[in-house]
Amino acid sequence: GAVVSQHPSWVICKSGTSVKIECRSLDFQATTMFWYRQFPKQSLMLMATSNEGSKATYEQGVEKDKFLINHASLTLSTLTVTSAHPEDSSFYICSARGRNIQYFGAGTRLSVL
Amino acid sequence: AQSVAQPEDQVNVAEGNPLTVKCTYSVSGNPYLFWYVQYPNRGLQFLLKYITGDNLVKGSYGFEAEFNKSQTSFHLKKPSALVSDSALYFCAVSPRGGGADGLTFGKGTHLIIQP
Repeated sequence: GAVVSQHPSWVICKSGTSVKIECRSLDFQATTMFWYRQFPKQSLMLMATSNEGSKATYEQGVEKDKFLINHASLTLSTLTVTSAHPEDSSFYICSARGRNIQYFGAGTRLSVL
Repeated sequence: AQSVAQPEDQVNVAEGNPLTVKCTYSVSGNPYLFWYVQYPNRGLQFLLKYITGDNLVKGSYGFEAEFNKSQTSFHLKKPSALVSDSALYFCAVSPRGGGADGLTFGKGTHLIIQP
């Protein structure tokens, strides 16, 4: 149990376009979800905390207008990278809070050309 | 601010030998500590956590971790390594134990078990 699905697993886009990443808790409800970013050979860095029905809380240094987060239901949170640029290329990982721990998706690799 | 250090980028162990993956932390207040494992093309999987109580925590797949407050460490251990244990291991800390806060991760340690 406690499966988190993240889609797509890999996306390539042109500079200036927007990309939406979905994070779903498949067999449990998650009032809280988290978005992380992982650079090559580095650790996961928390970007924002997403709470169902309310505005996301962003970590210092993360542009809220660049990384739009919507948590409209208890099983779905989305991250939209707006007007993507090559420096936004990275591995994005979501997690969902369930049974007092976080369960992680497999991640989305974003490549901006 | 809180931080986690995993001093080893890679740990090599022969199959059947005991393994240790090191983790030290820095937090203000009580530490809530976690270990996750990442296999290629898969999400991080929860192994174990320390919230309070017994300093030796047992988790999934035969792993355990020892919380040492005086040394601010939370090393991951297994008595007998398997080749299938080869993966990337992350230590993490949270301000609270209920999963309500984002985690601060170490940089990860590649564990390689040699047949």
